Amino acid sequence: DIRMTQSPSSLSASVGDRVTITCRAGQGISHHLAWFQQKPGRAPKLLIYDASAFQRGVPSEFSGSGSGTDFTLTINSLQPEHFATYYCQQYHAYPLTFGGGTKVEIK
Amino acid sequence: EVQLVESGGGLVQPGGSLRLSCAASGFTFSDHYMDWVRQAPGKGLEWVGRVRDKAHSYTTEYAASVKGRFTVSRDDSKNSVFLQMNSLKIEDTAVYLCGRASPSVDRYYYFDLWGLGTLVTVSS
Repeated sequence: DIRMTQSPSSLSASVGDRVTITCRAGQGISHHLAWFQQKPGRAPKLLIYDASAFQRGVPSEFSGSGSGTDFTLTINSLQPEHFATYYCQQYHAYPLTFGGGTKVEIK
Repeated sequence: EVQLVESGGGLVQPGGSLRLSCAASGFTFSDHYMDWVRQAPGKGLEWVGRVRDKAHSYTTEYAASVKGRFTVSRDDSKNSVFLQMNSLKIEDTAVYLCGRASPSVDRYYYFDLWGLGTLVTVSS
């Protein structure tokens, strides 16, 4: 199985801050990585796929980068609606696997 | 409206069975792979299984933790995907979400739509 390690597991930030979340794959997954946002009681929402491709309708504050084993999700200018839990997920090989999540909280 | 709506969750005893359904609307269901993912209370996301489309013979994939106990199937005429869960264990307690998977340019499938989920509680 491809282990996905996300860091940090949680962070506190202020509105307007720039936030970076990292995801490391246990083996190379090319660019086959997605990022999701999940709020309590809500369905996960796709933000980024293929490591850096924007899903339609996702705010421009979000961007993704990386390839191989190391990936990054960046939120430029954190907004109140961005406080949520973020997950990375690889779809390079079965079983499909998720990172443990990063909870972004208000400082 | 493009959406996925799960149903069929509930309380079941260890060793019991349950069948979940996911109804799709607002898009061409038959064009997509469909998956089930679960989330234990207060925990992260865990992939459960996948059923491919007709073009790929409706073949399936499963997580090791459920292989041999769970079965994913679909009925394109009803725009629905199902999860038959047998021999349920306490550790199967979770919210079960269905997800739609779409192909990227190089034909790897990523999740682009999720339902809200349905809660399955396995307890005596």
